[in-house]
Amino acid sequence: DVKVTQSSRYLVKRTGEKVFLECVQDMDHENMFWYRQDPGLGLRLIYFSYDVKMKEKGDIPEGYSVSREKKERFSLILESASTNQTSMYLCASSFPLLTTGDLANTGELFFGEGSRLTVL
Amino acid sequence: QKEVEQDPGPLSVPEGAIVSLNCTYSNSAFQYFMWYRQYSRKGPELLMYTYSSGNKEDGRFTAQVDKSSKYISLFIRDSQPSDSATYLCAMSAGNYGQNFVFGPGTRLSVLP
Repeated sequence: DVKVTQSSRYLVKRTGEKVFLECVQDMDHENMFWYRQDPGLGLRLIYFSYDVKMKEKGDIPEGYSVSREKKERFSLILESASTNQTSMYLCASSFPLLTTGDLANTGELFFGEGSRLTVL
Repeated sequence: QKEVEQDPGPLSVPEGAIVSLNCTYSNSAFQYFMWYRQYSRKGPELLMYTYSSGNKEDGRFTAQVDKSSKYISLFIRDSQPSDSATYLCAMSAGNYGQNFVFGPGTRLSVLP
């Protein structure tokens, strides 16, 4: 079974604190992603990485940074947490989507169970 | 206008009902369509995948894509209480970045 493990299920931090969220996958996936999930807004992509030491901004990168030093590990960093970063954070990994149609690799995302962060 | 729209619900149906979940989108370049199911306090899991237009059936689940209308649907036949979850549509153009854009999700409750 594919496993994506997020280091913390629940965290409570204070405004201004530095926060690390870690994610490890065991399927040798090239791609890794960080999303945040908020009611009514769905999943929004923060950052993704398609290779070690590579990173690309997603739709809402402000206030976040990432690190991918090893293929299996992708970390999300909040340099100075703010109350508007209270959210559910989901890590995902996948093989690349091969754009050759229905029979190709689907690029299916495998998600961790999420880290619920509360910033006071 | 959001790129992907989905009725957030909540939607409550009796056990055995046929459920229809829908998403509309604005980007005509989307050609890879997925439905994910997310149980409470869990991460989403892939339920159905469709490439381009057409129907796909898997047991009690049928996914439909109408690219001309920019509209996708998920049908659940003979719904069960175990189908109670949030259903997220996701779609991608398959270009560089290969990112899927998600709808906000529809929360479904199937009542015994």
